[in-house]
Amino acid sequence: GAVVSQHPSRVICKSGTSVKIECRSLDFQATTMFWYRQFPKQSLMLMATSNEGSKATYEQGVEKDKFLINHASLTLSTLTVTSAHPEDSSFYICSAGTRSYNEQFFGPGTRLTVL
Amino acid sequence: AQSVAQPEDQVNVAEGNPLTVKCTYSVSGNPYLFWYVQYPNRGLQFLLKYITGDNLVKGSYGFEAEFNKSQTSFHLKKPSALVSDSALYFCAVRGETTDSWGKLQFGAGTQVVVTP
Repeated sequence: GAVVSQHPSRVICKSGTSVKIECRSLDFQATTMFWYRQFPKQSLMLMATSNEGSKATYEQGVEKDKFLINHASLTLSTLTVTSAHPEDSSFYICSAGTRSYNEQFFGPGTRLTVL
Repeated sequence: AQSVAQPEDQVNVAEGNPLTVKCTYSVSGNPYLFWYVQYPNRGLQFLLKYITGDNLVKGSYGFEAEFNKSQTSFHLKKPSALVSDSALYFCAVRGETTDSWGKLQFGAGTQVVVTP
């Protein structure tokens, strides 16, 4: 299957700082990328859907000013957690896909810890 | 609206025994069904999917799943479990409508524990 990478894999930051997470599709062009959040031993919660060249669509209850998503190219989407607080600590997973593939390919995830 | 239910938080099985992880779904129109596995601190690995065609789908690592439209189920099975199959398993569904393309609804997950 297609390969999706995330960087960094793990980040620890101080409260109040901003953190950027990158999601890249390495061997295909992804028209759509998805960002998920996962709490320990829980399911994935979709945060937003990102289409290349357009604004992201956020799920209900997700603060768009808190979680900034940029999808500048067909191979790169970024999630920026602004003014991070301890409650933002979580495992963030991205996925990428195209209609022709009819499925999503998941990145390895980023563990964010806010002190 | 679409939803997925994984009724078991955890499934325990001895190595070599058959493994079944249950999943039922609700979706408008024809379902697109997926199974993923997650190891600790890792992303999701794709196991198999049902889009159309044969109700029995064979996937990675010896796993298979049977689509049952009348029971709205898509149970994951493996004839002989390995200790290395111990992981968290997610069932996911999405509808076929254009505006819901790609938006997966995940089940709560089932922890599989395979004992030697």
